[in-house]
Amino acid sequence: AAGVIQSPRHLIKEKRETATLKCYPIPRHDTVYWYQQGPGQDPQFLISFYEKMQSDKGSIPDRFSAQQFSDYHSELNMSSLELGDSALYFCASSTPGQGGEQYFGPGTRLTVT
Amino acid sequence: AQTVTQSQPEMSVQEAETVTLSCTYDTSESDYYLFWYKQPPSRQMILVIRQEAYKQQNATENRFSVNFQKAAKSFSLKISDSQLGDAAMYFCAYRSASWVIQGGSEKLVFGKGTKLTVNP
Repeated sequence: AAGVIQSPRHLIKEKRETATLKCYPIPRHDTVYWYQQGPGQDPQFLISFYEKMQSDKGSIPDRFSAQQFSDYHSELNMSSLELGDSALYFCASSTPGQGGEQYFGPGTRLTVT
Repeated sequence: AQTVTQSQPEMSVQEAETVTLSCTYDTSESDYYLFWYKQPPSRQMILVIRQEAYKQQNATENRFSVNFQKAAKSFSLKISDSQLGDAAMYFCAYRSASWVIQGGSEKLVFGKGTKLTVNP
């Protein structure tokens, strides 16, 4: 079965640079979620989109922005990167009526040096 | 705000034995979902089992089953016949069943996780 695709899988950036993470949800899934997992931490919700509109927002820094496109893929843009942004970034997708289940992609490991 | 607590940072079990991971949560909502996710060393988040709060029957998926006690706000995971491949970090997670426009949230709220070691 098709899964959530994230690219790139690994990304190394320097402080103050910009990064763009991409997420391709499972086909026919219309909702996308972004989570950030720091070292030794549990995943923290950043933001979600339903039918290309922002549906919920968590602890996402103002330096981050995201959107969902007409083909339902989503991008997380991160500017003025800080050392503390180094983390594993997950994208998950779901569809209404599926009992709340969210299916996670493999994650993008971002390292800021 | 909802919170999820996993009081066991680490657990170990012998291969083929049974182990139970604990999870408690706090919420004022009456309808919600609870999940257990597994995160092996690959860091992939894998859905193990799901429970809907309005269902009294405990969910079961092969060797994995839950003990859902709604009044006690408890949601433990039992792994039977433990296998080496079960070794991972296990996260308990909560999600409101209400849409955002209804005052709920679609986000998953995770506990801090329990690291499970399976000894051969």
